Amino acid sequence: DTGVSQDPRHKITKRGQNVTFRCDPISEHNRLYWYRQTLGQGPEFLTYFQNEAQLEKSRLLSDRFSAERPKGSFSTLEIQRTEQGDSAMYLCASSSGTGLNTEAFFGQGTRLTVV
Amino acid sequence: AQSVTQLDSHVSVSEGTPVLLRCNYSSSYSPSLFWYVQHPNKGLQLLLKYTSAATLVKGINGFEAEFKKSETSFHLTKPSAHMSDAAEYFCVVSDRWGYKYIFGTGTRLKVLA
Repeated sequence: DTGVSQDPRHKITKRGQNVTFRCDPISEHNRLYWYRQTLGQGPEFLTYFQNEAQLEKSRLLSDRFSAERPKGSFSTLEIQRTEQGDSAMYLCASSSGTGLNTEAFFGQGTRLTVV
Repeated sequence: AQSVTQLDSHVSVSEGTPVLLRCNYSSSYSPSLFWYVQHPNKGLQLLLKYTSAATLVKGINGFEAEFKKSETSFHLTKPSAHMSDAAEYFCVVSDRWGYKYIFGTGTRLKVLA
């Protein structure tokens, strides 16, 4: 399968713990995105990488959140001191090229439950 | 700022009847518009995208959408619903630079036998 891969698929953690999610984009896709989807809502943009550079971060991404893409390939999203409000589906997507109408390919997501 | 409004949170149709999922957009520039589908336990899949080349856009699985600038709409249609179409559908507009997506709140399509 050459699609976007996310790991783990599900994570249950206690409030206050740190969690880290991994995303492997489609090979050679230079753009990588993180979105968050809560129940009954559409996904919301969190952050965007072009190669290894993080070019934009949403105001939704508090100081407890950090994302990296060290070599321009896979990416990690870490949440420190998790809160119940962090419970959501975290989606990763990737795309290639530049400009408009660029299709983003999404992974199946990591569902986080904070108890 | 760009935004999309999906006018129906739930739509129910009988198998074999037409599907209409409504989306209005707001954009200060010529928008890029998409429809994605999300089946349970599966990733978001692109159905179709508006490229400004043609106002009627054909997508996968028999879906199509028409871009109407005067009405700021991008409604999704299918002539005949199939049971496998039951899913959540999202209307999406991209930002000015074409990389950040702004999603609608989704429309859950139910197909009745």
